[in-house]
Amino acid sequence: DAGITQSPRYKITETGRQVTLMCHQTWSHSYMFWYRQDLGHGLRLIYYSAAADITDKGEVPDGYVVSRSKTENFPLTLESATRSQTSVYFCASSGSSSGRVDTQYFGPGTRLTVL
Amino acid sequence: GNSVTQMEGPVTLSEEAFLTINCTYTATGYPSLFWYVQYPGEGLQLLLKATKADDKGSNKGFEATYRKETTSFHLEKGSVQVSDSAVYFCAPVRGATNKLIFGTGTLLAVQP
Repeated sequence: DAGITQSPRYKITETGRQVTLMCHQTWSHSYMFWYRQDLGHGLRLIYYSAAADITDKGEVPDGYVVSRSKTENFPLTLESATRSQTSVYFCASSGSSSGRVDTQYFGPGTRLTVL
Repeated sequence: GNSVTQMEGPVTLSEEAFLTINCTYTATGYPSLFWYVQYPGEGLQLLLKATKADDKGSNKGFEATYRKETTSFHLEKGSVQVSDSAVYFCAPVRGATNKLIFGTGTLLAVQP
């Protein structure tokens, strides 16, 4: 399927477990992003990547790890899940046009519950 | 750094009413500006954008004009429909990057 997909769509886990959320895009976009959405906070950037093997922290990176070995994939790992990481997670991607900011395209989201 | 202030919701309107959702930002220079919409249970999707001062973005009957004098990018629609019920996010670009700053969003509820 063309576009940007996330898996799983729903996940329930327990405190202390490792969880990986997957993100895949078919456009060969350079940039990829991970956000979390919480009531009262809007969307906050966790990590982003400008290209394969290039990642950088966003506003709220603590407790998360990312990698980007291939352009199309950008997995997000919670190394030891905590209840405060219960949230809806969105992945997004965008291209780049001569340094101008391009539209970000969002996946459908993963709803994560940490018990 | 750049920041955004968005009108708090919820905004409740009757069908065919006029809509304004205010958005102001602080920024260095003239960043690109975006409005995204999130329908229930879905991810965000681009509604419209403007890349330079005085540009007007428009889509699906929605409009927003990039006002550098007032550092604003207010969203307007002349006649809302029930199907416009969603959360709307104003998002300027953060500095000289490809990152967006999202406000907390404004929930719009349109009643028949």
